[in-house]
Amino acid sequence: ILNVEQSPQSLHVQEGDSTNFTCSFPSSNFYALHWYRWETAKSPEALFVMTLNGDEKKKGRISATLNTKEGYSYLYIKGSQPEDSATYLCAFMGNFGNEKLTFGTGTRLTIIP
Amino acid sequence: DAGVIQSPRHEVTEMGQEVTLRCKPISGHDYLFWYRQTMMRGLELLIYFNNNVPIDDSGMPEDRFSAKMPNASFSTLKIQPSEPRDSAVYFCASNSRPGGLIKNTGELFFGEGSRLTVL
Repeated sequence: ILNVEQSPQSLHVQEGDSTNFTCSFPSSNFYALHWYRWETAKSPEALFVMTLNGDEKKKGRISATLNTKEGYSYLYIKGSQPEDSATYLCAFMGNFGNEKLTFGTGTRLTIIP
Repeated sequence: DAGVIQSPRHEVTEMGQEVTLRCKPISGHDYLFWYRQTMMRGLELLIYFNNNVPIDDSGMPEDRFSAKMPNASFSTLKIQPSEPRDSAVYFCASNSRPGGLIKNTGELFFGEGSRLTVL
């Protein structure tokens, strides 16, 4: 069983503040890491797919970094807005000969106006 | 463009009944995934198909669960007989392998899910 852990489980952030959270995954047999944004009553939507150690990706105010050697990825949100309220999921793909993504249980972010 | 389409959106049934969930992937996608979402375990992969062929069904909980993909535009997940512990949201997702890559690292496109309640 693969251990993909996200922390914290939930987070309340004041509007305008910046925040970040963590995804930890096995550092051996890494192949790819995904980040998804999941709003309540909707379906998860992809934010980033990262495959190389040291990758940094950015989409507007949201960015992510990847450290495959130590097995973690950070997601950053700059200047939080109410529409950023969602659950953020990471998903790990290992180099195991299959193409399965194992999801973490998510960080639930609430932006306080 | 139509996304991944799932039906029904909500299903309430009684223990012992057969449940069939349906999925239409995005046209042109050659991978289809069935996930189950529960509070306790998050999103779990049940089974995935490539070119309509089941590749890995190791996440299917038990023999009561079965999935088929008779053609590139349709898949079903069947539970027979259903039990209360099967209550969950079932998501279908599809994608294609990015060009030139050995493994499918492409982002998943999810449907809106089918919420199943077994009484």
